[in-house]
Amino acid sequence: DAKTTQPPSMDCAEGRAANLPCNHSTISGNEYVYWYRQIHSQGPQYIIHGLKNNETNEMASLIITEDRKSSTLILPHATLRDTAVYYCIVGSGNTGKLIFGQGTTLQVKP
Amino acid sequence: DAGITQSPRYKITETGRQVTLMCHQTWSHSYMFWYRQDLGHGLRLIYYSAAADITDKGEVPDGYVVSRSKTENFPLTLESATRSQTSVYFCASTWAREAPLHFGNGTRLTVT
Repeated sequence: DAKTTQPPSMDCAEGRAANLPCNHSTISGNEYVYWYRQIHSQGPQYIIHGLKNNETNEMASLIITEDRKSSTLILPHATLRDTAVYYCIVGSGNTGKLIFGQGTTLQVKP
Repeated sequence: DAGITQSPRYKITETGRQVTLMCHQTWSHSYMFWYRQDLGHGLRLIYYSAAADITDKGEVPDGYVVSRSKTENFPLTLESATRSQTSVYFCASTWAREAPLHFGNGTRLTVT
């Protein structure tokens, strides 16, 4: 399974867009990119995922580079409630198992 | 209510005892997973299951046993608990290999 690299922490001003980067240079053709977040000690919450194309839902947008070696999660208008640990994961389409890394701690500040 | 539930929410046990953490989902999802989360290690995959009676090891399976006799249940057993197994355990499920995971609220296990 491909590994991901994320910055350990980031800050964002409330109301501004939060752009969280992720590198996955060893991703293979059938592996999806997933983003989850974890608030305090709750179970991780699914945000968005994609294979090749950019994706958008009510929570966020996912931008995947053409070579698929990196991606960016965009929270368009960050709020204080978006403060969490964000995990970028590359998943195997063959087994379904997802290996979590350390994630990025996003701190949204007023 | 539909969803994925873990029990108990909190458990304290002694070293050497057997303890079973329960996970139940009402969606009839084929895939189920157990993760543990420790400070400084993020979430690590212990075991996963693609269907009833099919299980496979994850990153850190030693000291754990799983079974999947019914689609909706995926219990995790620590046969002889050790202090190093003190952790928060999360169960998750999904309906397809590439579909998002749905996580339970976790079980906080303390081994004394």
